[in-house]
Amino acid sequence: AQSVTQLDSQVPVFEEAPVELRCNYSSSVSVYLFWYVQYPNQGLQLLLKYLSGSTLVESINGFEAEFNKSQTSFHLRKPSVHISDTAEYFCAVTYTQGGSEKLVFGKGTKLTVNP
Amino acid sequence: DAGVIQSPRHEVTEMGQEVTLRCKPISGHNSLFWYRQTMMRGLELLIYFNNNVPIDDSGMPEDRFSAKMPNASFSTLKIQPSEPRDSAVYFCASSLVRGRSSYNEQFFGPGTRLTVL
Repeated sequence: AQSVTQLDSQVPVFEEAPVELRCNYSSSVSVYLFWYVQYPNQGLQLLLKYLSGSTLVESINGFEAEFNKSQTSFHLRKPSVHISDTAEYFCAVTYTQGGSEKLVFGKGTKLTVNP
Repeated sequence: DAGVIQSPRHEVTEMGQEVTLRCKPISGHNSLFWYRQTMMRGLELLIYFNNNVPIDDSGMPEDRFSAKMPNASFSTLKIQPSEPRDSAVYFCASSLVRGRSSYNEQFFGPGTRLTVL
């Protein structure tokens, strides 16, 4: 089975600073990769995804992630964060077991953007 | 679209009581997922349904947990009897599965925060 490791449980940064949230997964077989964001007291929302093609994917609010197959990583980056980016971010990967496709999530990284 | 609807949003109960969590998926979606989120274990898939049929319940922790999907617009997750270690946030998600080879985005509800005293 797949596993996802998010190396940092908490990341505090100042507003307008760059940020990188790290994600590694356990297998190098073909996978789909995702970042979800969870704002306080809300459910998870899809932020961006890698299915195939270009290894650099972007979201509408300035985040980007790069799929690195050799390092089995899918780190999330943003060059300049806003207070409103404060949330918990989850990396996820699909895997297929018994003919069905499932999502496995990392334990999350809490991003806190301070003024 | 109203999105995935879950009720109640918060539930506080005493150990030994039966708890029922409810979910209404997005209209037209054919897959439904129940997840549990805790500080210790993160987000875990409990069970998922496709076309109202349970496909994989390997994540259901024990026999005290059961889930049903009587129709395409409603699902329940029941815990009987409840225990303090069941305290968590339970999320329901739905998706429209179009083919086996393509990933289909899951849309999450706001969750039910369960506290078992």
